[in-house]
Amino acid sequence: QSVLTQPPSVSAAPGQKVIISCSGSSSNIGNNYVSWYQQFPGTAPKLLIYENNKRPSGIPDRFSASKSGTSATLGITGLQTGDEADYHCGTWDSSLSAYVFGTGTKVTVL
Amino acid sequence: EVQLVESGGGLVQPGGSLRLSCAASGLPLDYYSMNWVRQAPGKGLEWFSYVSSSGSTIYYADSVKGRFTISRDNAKNSLYLQMNSLRDDDTAVYYCARDRPGSQYPKWFDPWGQGTLVTVSS
Repeated sequence: QSVLTQPPSVSAAPGQKVIISCSGSSSNIGNNYVSWYQQFPGTAPKLLIYENNKRPSGIPDRFSASKSGTSATLGITGLQTGDEADYHCGTWDSSLSAYVFGTGTKVTVL
Repeated sequence: EVQLVESGGGLVQPGGSLRLSCAASGLPLDYYSMNWVRQAPGKGLEWFSYVSSSGSTIYYADSVKGRFTISRDNAKNSLYLQMNSLRDDDTAVYYCARDRPGSQYPKWFDPWGQGTLVTVSS
Protein backbone atom coordinates (compact mmCIF):
# COMPACT_ATOMS: atom_id res chain seq x y z
CA GLN A 1 0.00 0.00 0.00
CA SER A 2 1.54 3.26 -1.18
CA VAL A 3 2.00 6.19 1.18
CA LEU A 4 1.43 8.66 -1.66
CA THR A 5 -2.12 8.94 -2.95
CA GLN A 6 -3.01 9.82 -6.55
CA PRO A 7 -6.38 9.72 -8.32
CA PRO A 8 -6.70 6.49 -10.33
CA SER A 9 -7.60 8.37 -13.48
CA VAL A 10 -8.15 11.80 -14.99
CA SER A 11 -9.43 12.72 -18.42
CA ALA A 12 -10.00 15.71 -20.66
CA ALA A 13 -10.51 16.58 -24.29
CA PRO A 14 -7.62 17.37 -26.64
CA GLY A 15 -6.24 20.84 -26.01
CA GLN A 16 -7.60 20.98 -22.51
CA LYS A 17 -5.74 20.79 -19.18
CA VAL A 18 -5.52 18.05 -16.58
CA ILE A 19 -4.15 18.24 -13.08
CA ILE A 20 -2.90 15.20 -11.17
CA SER A 21 -2.59 15.40 -7.40
CA CYS A 22 -0.16 13.51 -5.17
CA SER A 23 -0.91 13.58 -1.46
CA GLY A 24 1.56 12.56 1.20
CA SER A 25 2.78 13.60 4.63
CA SER A 26 5.45 15.61 6.40
CA SER A 27 7.86 12.67 6.33
CA ASN A 28 7.83 12.48 2.55
CA ILE A 29 6.46 15.27 0.34
CA GLY A 30 6.50 17.79 3.16
CA ASN A 31 10.28 17.67 3.52
CA ASN A 32 11.71 16.18 0.34
CA TYR A 33 11.82 16.86 -3.38
CA VAL A 34 9.08 15.34 -5.53
CA SER A 35 9.63 13.87 -8.97
CA TRP A 36 7.13 12.76 -11.62
CA TYR A 37 7.40 9.96 -14.18
CA GLN A 38 5.49 9.22 -17.37
CA GLN A 39 4.97 5.61 -18.39
CA PHE A 40 3.42 4.27 -21.59
CA PRO A 41 2.05 0.70 -21.59
CA GLY A 42 4.77 -1.90 -21.83
CA THR A 43 7.61 0.59 -21.55
CA ALA A 44 9.91 1.89 -18.85
CA PRO A 45 9.03 5.03 -16.91
CA LYS A 46 10.56 8.32 -18.01
CA LEU A 47 11.52 11.24 -15.80
CA LEU A 48 9.15 14.15 -16.39
CA ILE A 49 9.80 16.46 -13.44
CA TYR A 50 12.51 16.51 -10.78
CA GLU A 51 13.09 18.62 -7.67
CA ASN A 52 9.40 19.56 -7.46
CA ASN A 53 9.14 21.64 -10.62
CA LYS A 54 12.17 21.25 -12.89
CA ARG A 55 11.89 19.75 -16.37
CA PRO A 56 14.72 17.65 -17.84
CA SER A 57 15.98 18.64 -21.25
CA GLY A 58 13.49 17.69 -23.94
CA ILE A 59 10.36 17.77 -21.77
CA PRO A 60 7.92 20.34 -23.21
CA ASP A 61 6.70 23.20 -21.05
CA ARG A 62 3.16 21.84 -21.39
CA PHE A 63 4.17 19.78 -18.37
CA SER A 64 4.49 21.70 -15.11
CA ALA A 65 4.49 20.80 -11.45
CA SER A 66 4.37 22.36 -8.03
CA LYS A 67 4.44 21.44 -4.37
CA SER A 68 2.65 22.92 -1.39
CA GLY A 69 2.92 21.49 2.09
CA THR A 70 2.35 17.75 1.92
CA SER A 71 0.88 17.68 -1.58
CA ALA A 72 2.22 18.00 -5.09
CA THR A 73 0.52 18.47 -8.44
CA LEU A 74 1.39 17.80 -12.05
CA GLY A 75 -0.35 19.79 -14.76
CA ILE A 76 -0.54 18.99 -18.44
CA THR A 77 -1.83 21.75 -20.72
CA GLY A 78 -2.67 21.51 -24.40
CA LEU A 79 -3.51 17.85 -23.92
CA GLN A 80 -2.55 15.58 -26.81
CA THR A 81 -3.45 11.99 -27.61
CA GLY A 82 0.23 11.20 -27.18
CA ASP A 83 -0.04 12.19 -23.52
CA GLU A 84 -2.19 9.15 -22.75
CA ALA A 85 -0.07 7.30 -20.23
CA ASP A 86 0.32 6.51 -16.55
CA TYR A 87 1.86 9.18 -14.35
CA HIS A 88 3.62 8.44 -11.08
CA CYS A 89 4.84 10.79 -8.36
CA GLY A 90 7.71 9.83 -6.08
CA THR A 91 9.78 11.12 -3.21
CA TRP A 92 12.02 10.05 -0.34
CA ASP A 93 10.31 9.20 2.92
CA SER A 94 12.59 10.17 5.80
CA SER A 95 10.69 8.08 8.36
CA LEU A 96 10.70 4.91 6.27
CA SER A 97 14.20 5.51 4.85
CA ALA A 98 12.68 4.46 1.57
CA TYR A 99 11.75 6.04 -1.72
CA VAL A 100 7.99 5.91 -2.21
CA PHE A 101 5.91 6.15 -5.35
CA GLY A 102 2.34 7.27 -5.70
CA THR A 103 -0.46 4.91 -6.66
CA GLY A 104 -0.28 6.12 -10.26
CA THR A 105 -2.77 8.02 -12.42
CA LYS A 106 -3.96 7.07 -15.87
CA VAL A 107 -4.50 10.03 -18.18
CA THR A 108 -7.12 9.57 -20.88
CA VAL A 109 -7.66 11.98 -23.75
CA LEU A 110 -11.34 11.96 -24.64
CA GLU B 1 23.33 8.93 -24.79
CA VAL B 2 23.31 6.97 -21.55
CA GLN B 3 21.71 3.58 -21.85
CA LEU B 4 20.98 1.00 -19.18
CA VAL B 5 20.33 -2.62 -20.10
CA GLU B 6 19.07 -5.19 -17.60
CA SER B 7 19.54 -8.92 -17.99
CA GLY B 8 19.13 -12.10 -15.98
CA GLY B 9 15.38 -12.27 -15.60
CA GLY B 10 13.37 -15.43 -16.12
CA LEU B 11 11.22 -18.09 -14.50
CA VAL B 12 12.25 -19.33 -11.06
CA GLN B 13 10.54 -21.50 -8.48
CA PRO B 14 9.50 -20.14 -5.09
CA GLY B 15 12.46 -20.24 -2.73
CA GLY B 16 14.89 -20.01 -5.61
CA SER B 17 17.54 -17.45 -6.51
CA LEU B 18 18.29 -15.20 -9.44
CA ARG B 19 20.94 -12.61 -10.22
CA LEU B 20 20.10 -9.55 -12.28
CA SER B 21 22.64 -7.34 -14.02
CA CYS B 22 22.38 -3.79 -15.30
CA ALA B 23 25.00 -2.68 -17.80
CA ALA B 24 25.55 0.98 -18.56
CA SER B 25 26.83 2.48 -21.79
CA GLY B 26 27.41 6.04 -22.87
CA LEU B 27 28.60 7.37 -19.51
CA PRO B 28 30.57 6.00 -16.56
CA LEU B 29 28.42 5.20 -13.55
CA ASP B 30 31.18 6.10 -11.08
CA TYR B 31 29.63 9.38 -10.03
CA TYR B 32 26.08 8.18 -9.81
CA SER B 33 24.03 6.37 -7.25
CA MET B 34 21.87 3.59 -8.66
CA ASN B 35 18.50 2.09 -7.87
CA TRP B 36 16.35 -0.94 -8.51
CA VAL B 37 12.61 -0.44 -9.02
CA ARG B 38 10.06 -3.10 -9.84
CA GLN B 39 6.52 -3.23 -11.14
CA ALA B 40 4.24 -6.19 -10.57
CA PRO B 41 1.80 -6.99 -13.38
CA GLY B 42 -0.91 -4.34 -13.51
CA LYS B 43 0.46 -2.58 -10.43
CA GLY B 44 2.33 0.62 -9.65
CA LEU B 45 6.04 1.24 -9.27
CA GLU B 46 7.87 -0.02 -6.20
CA TRP B 47 11.36 1.22 -5.33
CA PHE B 48 13.25 -1.37 -3.34
CA SER B 49 17.01 -0.78 -3.39
CA TYR B 50 19.64 1.97 -3.66
CA VAL B 51 23.43 2.02 -3.67
CA SER B 52 25.56 5.15 -3.53
CA SER B 53 28.29 5.84 -6.08
CA SER B 54 31.01 4.40 -3.84
CA GLY B 55 28.88 1.53 -2.59
CA SER B 56 29.21 2.74 0.99
CA THR B 57 25.52 3.57 1.46
CA ILE B 58 22.79 1.04 0.71
CA TYR B 59 19.05 1.12 1.33
CA TYR B 60 16.45 -1.60 0.98
CA ALA B 61 12.70 -1.60 1.21
CA ASP B 62 11.32 -3.80 3.96
CA SER B 63 9.76 -6.06 1.33
CA VAL B 64 13.18 -7.32 0.18
CA LYS B 65 15.43 -6.68 3.17
CA GLY B 66 17.40 -9.77 4.11
CA ARG B 67 16.61 -11.52 0.82
CA PHE B 68 18.02 -9.21 -1.88
CA THR B 69 21.53 -7.76 -2.16
CA ILE B 70 22.48 -4.82 -4.34
CA SER B 71 26.05 -4.38 -5.51
CA ARG B 72 28.01 -2.57 -8.17
CA ASP B 73 31.26 -2.87 -10.07
CA ASN B 74 32.30 0.56 -11.30
CA ALA B 75 35.20 -0.93 -13.25
CA LYS B 76 32.65 -2.90 -15.27
CA ASN B 77 30.15 -0.03 -15.31
CA SER B 78 27.55 -2.40 -13.95
CA LEU B 79 24.97 -2.82 -11.22
CA TYR B 80 23.80 -6.14 -9.81
CA LEU B 81 20.94 -7.57 -7.78
CA GLN B 82 21.21 -10.94 -6.05
CA MET B 83 17.74 -12.21 -5.22
CA ASN B 84 17.33 -15.12 -2.81
CA SER B 85 14.33 -16.79 -1.19
CA LEU B 86 12.10 -15.59 -4.00
CA ARG B 87 8.36 -15.51 -3.42
CA ASP B 88 5.35 -15.40 -5.70
CA ASP B 89 4.87 -11.70 -4.93
CA ASP B 90 8.35 -10.92 -6.26
CA THR B 91 6.99 -11.50 -9.76
CA ALA B 92 7.50 -8.21 -11.59
CA VAL B 93 9.41 -6.31 -14.23
CA TYR B 94 12.65 -5.18 -12.66
CA TYR B 95 14.19 -1.86 -13.70
CA CYS B 96 17.55 -0.34 -12.88
CA ALA B 97 17.64 3.44 -12.80
CA ARG B 98 20.36 6.02 -12.37
CA ASP B 99 20.06 8.61 -9.64
CA ARG B 100 21.23 12.21 -9.61
CA PRO B 101 24.97 12.80 -9.19
CA GLY B 102 26.26 12.83 -5.65
CA SER B 103 23.04 11.79 -3.96
CA GLN B 104 23.22 10.06 -0.59
CA TYR B 105 19.69 8.71 -0.83
CA PRO B 106 17.29 8.25 -3.77
CA LYS B 107 16.34 11.61 -5.32
CA TRP B 108 15.12 11.06 -8.85
CA PHE B 109 15.61 8.40 -11.51
CA ASP B 110 16.91 9.06 -14.99
CA PRO B 111 17.41 7.15 -17.18
CA TRP B 112 15.74 3.80 -16.65
CA GLY B 113 16.61 0.51 -18.25
CA GLN B 114 14.07 -1.30 -20.42
CA GLY B 115 13.34 -3.78 -17.62
CA THR B 116 13.66 -7.53 -17.23
CA LEU B 117 10.79 -9.81 -16.24
CA VAL B 118 11.14 -12.05 -13.21
CA THR B 119 8.44 -14.68 -12.78
CA VAL B 120 8.31 -16.68 -9.56
CA SER B 121 6.10 -19.71 -9.99
CA SER B 122 6.07 -23.43 -9.44
